[in-house]
Amino acid sequence: KQEVTQIPAALSVPEGENLVLNCSFTDSAIYNLQWFRQDPGKGLTSLLLIQSSQREQTSGRLNASLDKSSGRSTLYIAASQPGDSATYLCAPPPRGTSYGKLTFGQGTILTVHP
Amino acid sequence: DTGVSQNPRHKITKRGQNVTFRCDPISEHNRLYWYRQTLGQGPEFLTYFQNEAQLEKSRLLSDRFSAERPKGSFSTLEIQRTEQGDSAMYLCASSLSQENEQFFGPGTRLTVL
Repeated sequence: KQEVTQIPAALSVPEGENLVLNCSFTDSAIYNLQWFRQDPGKGLTSLLLIQSSQREQTSGRLNASLDKSSGRSTLYIAASQPGDSATYLCAPPPRGTSYGKLTFGQGTILTVHP
Repeated sequence: DTGVSQNPRHKITKRGQNVTFRCDPISEHNRLYWYRQTLGQGPEFLTYFQNEAQLEKSRLLSDRFSAERPKGSFSTLEIQRTEQGDSAMYLCASSLSQENEQFFGPGTRLTVL
């Protein structure tokens, strides 16, 4: 069973800082890993999808890396803005019959102060 | 809007009543997933469909829950005899196939009084 841990649980930073969110998972036999953001009371917005054959993926100010062998992924946010405030979730679906079923950790709650 | 849509967005019901939620996935997406999320937790998988076939159900899905995707397009999730513990956000997602990115809808917030 895939288990996902995200550290830190909460992060509060001033605007403009670069920051790193961490995700670790127990089953490294994955096809891909997806990062999401969730605003309070809303659904999930997909940020990045990293295939297992990739080591990193970039979208704008976001960069996600994947180290399958150690069961870790990091999401790097450059030059943070107040609009980045949200909960960030990672989901690494394992291969096999459960593939496609996303397993989430509790997420990292990010607050960026103006 | 070509994203995943869910209706209703909010539902308040009394304990013991039945409720039904609807999810319209992105057009041509073969896979459709239902998740449940309680406050402060990440979403938990409930069930998924490949076209009209329901392929897996979580142990979280008791006998009071039933999901359908009759024509391989929209899906419904019904909860019978609701309990206060059913209060949660119910999220729907779709993807083109199992290897592809999942896209989520805005969710249906259920409150059982």
